[in-house]
Amino acid sequence: QQQVKQSPQSLIVQKGGISIINCAYENTAFDYFPWYQQFPGKGPALLIAIRPDVSEKKEGRFTISFNKSAKQFSLHIMDSQPGDSATYFCAASIGGYKLSFGAGTTVTVRA
Amino acid sequence: EAGVAQSPRYKIIEKRQSVAFWCNPISGHATLYWYQQILGQGPKLLIQFQNNGVVDDSQLPKDRFSAERLKGVDSTLKIQPAKLEDSAVYLCASSLDFPGYEQYFGPGTRLTVT
Repeated sequence: QQQVKQSPQSLIVQKGGISIINCAYENTAFDYFPWYQQFPGKGPALLIAIRPDVSEKKEGRFTISFNKSAKQFSLHIMDSQPGDSATYFCAASIGGYKLSFGAGTTVTVRA
Repeated sequence: EAGVAQSPRYKIIEKRQSVAFWCNPISGHATLYWYQQILGQGPKLLIQFQNNGVVDDSQLPKDRFSAERLKGVDSTLKIQPAKLEDSAVYLCASSLDFPGYEQYFGPGTRLTVT
């Protein structure tokens, strides 16, 4: 069964806009929540990650918001650029062991 | 630093044939992973090695899939016999240690089974 549920399946945003991708999980033992970015024909690449002891982590234009009580976390892409057009996957694991990935969100940034 | 290398990049076979994929992880990385990524889905872990030992293969269909990691470096994943539902991208990843919080993925091998 899918342990991490991701939405939306796809989104289109204008250049300079904000992209928001949401993920939900059930297993409260998960303690590591990374986001991966994948371009066509390439493997996923780690973008940013968070642990449940913090509610937010920011790296450049990318921010993870984490809500432990709701068992949800989200990725915000600020000032979206055409180069951000890619598929984004959330994931979760226990201690970095056995990553479970969401189904992915395809982001298209229109110039 | 060279990334994770995989070959071939593309493979087309008929059902019931066999196929093998090769992976060379980043030098010095102890942990190696094989994932299956079906179109429109996230990667699913098939097997992970720490050095040349299997750490987890609970999601590997062992009746048709096998994998090995010789001398704790390169790895091969084999499917025999292939089924139509095996059509997917097979991704190899490696991490410096175990468990691997930061996994580095190769470009994948796209398998089409006809």
